[in-house]
Amino acid sequence: EADIYQTPRYLVIGTGKKITLECSQTMGHDKMYWYQQDPGMELHLIHYSYGVNSTEKGDLSSESTVSRIRTEHFPLTLESARPSHTSQYLCASSGFGGPFEQFFGPGTRLTVL
Amino acid sequence: AQSVTQLGSHVSVSEGALVLLRCNYSSSVPPYLFWYVQYPNQGLQLLLKYTSAATLVKGINGFEAEFKKSETSFHLTKPSAHMSDAAEYFCAVTKGNTGNQFYFGTGTSLTVIP
Repeated sequence: EADIYQTPRYLVIGTGKKITLECSQTMGHDKMYWYQQDPGMELHLIHYSYGVNSTEKGDLSSESTVSRIRTEHFPLTLESARPSHTSQYLCASSGFGGPFEQFFGPGTRLTVL
Repeated sequence: AQSVTQLGSHVSVSEGALVLLRCNYSSSVPPYLFWYVQYPNQGLQLLLKYTSAATLVKGINGFEAEFKKSETSFHLTKPSAHMSDAAEYFCAVTKGNTGNQFYFGTGTSLTVIP
């Protein structure tokens, strides 16, 4: 079944740790996105990719980095987690052309102590 | 610049009553508009979309929205609220350009009172 997956769903980690949030999709989409979501706020785009070896920063400045080595995989990495990184992170994908809707994963809720 | 404004961060309705969630957009070009729903601890699920075809758009779960260019609005409605409709609702706009970047509103939390 075509879907978009995120792991882990919940992560509690100490300050200074390196973490990678995983996102994979089996929808055959070329475009993928990472959003940061905080309560009462709009979703903020932090990274996006149009295809393999293509990554761009979004509107919201983020200390995270991403990679796109395979079409279906778009991991997000924080080299040194801080309490200010505590948030929900949503991964999405969309097909070629537009304006196809974006399909979202279930999210990863990150807490940095 | 594109943006959406959702009026009312919290809306409460009685079960069986009309649901009206408001969304106004600003866009320098004809927009494409979307409504998403988010249940607790889940990602966003598409309810419906407007892509310059019919101005009245029907979606899943009995929801519909009407695109009104003169009012720059895309309000979401449902004739009769159900308890299962309690969730967070997000309006989004995109130009539909190559990047397909979306701009989301701040969301409206819908409570359904039994």
